[in-house]
Amino acid sequence: DQQVKQNSPSLSVQEGRISILNCDYTNSMFDYFLWYKKYPAEGPTFLISISSIKDKNEDGRFTVFLNKSAKHLSLHIVPSQPGDSAVYFCAASVLGSSNTGKLIFGQGTTLQVKP
Amino acid sequence: EAQVTQNPRYLITVTGKKLTVTCSQNMNHEYMSWYRQDPGLGLRQIYYSMNVEVTDKGDVPEGYKVSRKEKRNFPLILESPSPNQTSLYFCASSETGINYGYTFGSGTRLTVV
Repeated sequence: DQQVKQNSPSLSVQEGRISILNCDYTNSMFDYFLWYKKYPAEGPTFLISISSIKDKNEDGRFTVFLNKSAKHLSLHIVPSQPGDSAVYFCAASVLGSSNTGKLIFGQGTTLQVKP
Repeated sequence: EAQVTQNPRYLITVTGKKLTVTCSQNMNHEYMSWYRQDPGLGLRQIYYSMNVEVTDKGDVPEGYKVSRKEKRNFPLILESPSPNQTSLYFCASSETGINYGYTFGSGTRLTVV
């Protein structure tokens, strides 16, 4: 049972345009969400996070939006750059539980930004 | 340099031959975790540890063992590897919990024939 789902395996956008990566979750207990970026032959790196008490968090070109009623979050990259080409994973957790080490990832979306 | 170090980077082994993948972090992090990455399945958590001598199962713990005898090390043990454990494995650590995000190692590509 996939609790965190990224239904688009890949996305291609033109440099300078907006990239929107989507993520859905099924567990209503999740209250903390993160996005990771992964280049080939490297481990994932933390990008941005959001708590369920917020609906938006912004960090430079990256903004994460959370819609709790729809159990949906999205990552917006504006403007997209060729160096953003990577695999993006969303992840979810339940903070404050006895399992705060448990972090569940989606399948990943491969973003290609064309020059 | 703050980092999570896994060894080896690549390993080919035969079915049933016990192996250990080492993981070490130099950031004094309390939390450590192991993930495997498979095509179409993303990253799946195998085990995690919230402190020395405290470990718990993730989503896919079958066939794996871990230990946390000291804070910096969190080895992954495959007592009797099978071909379905062929995967890309990542070790990760975190300061005090998920809100800080996990820092990942560079990965270990394991092939079991």
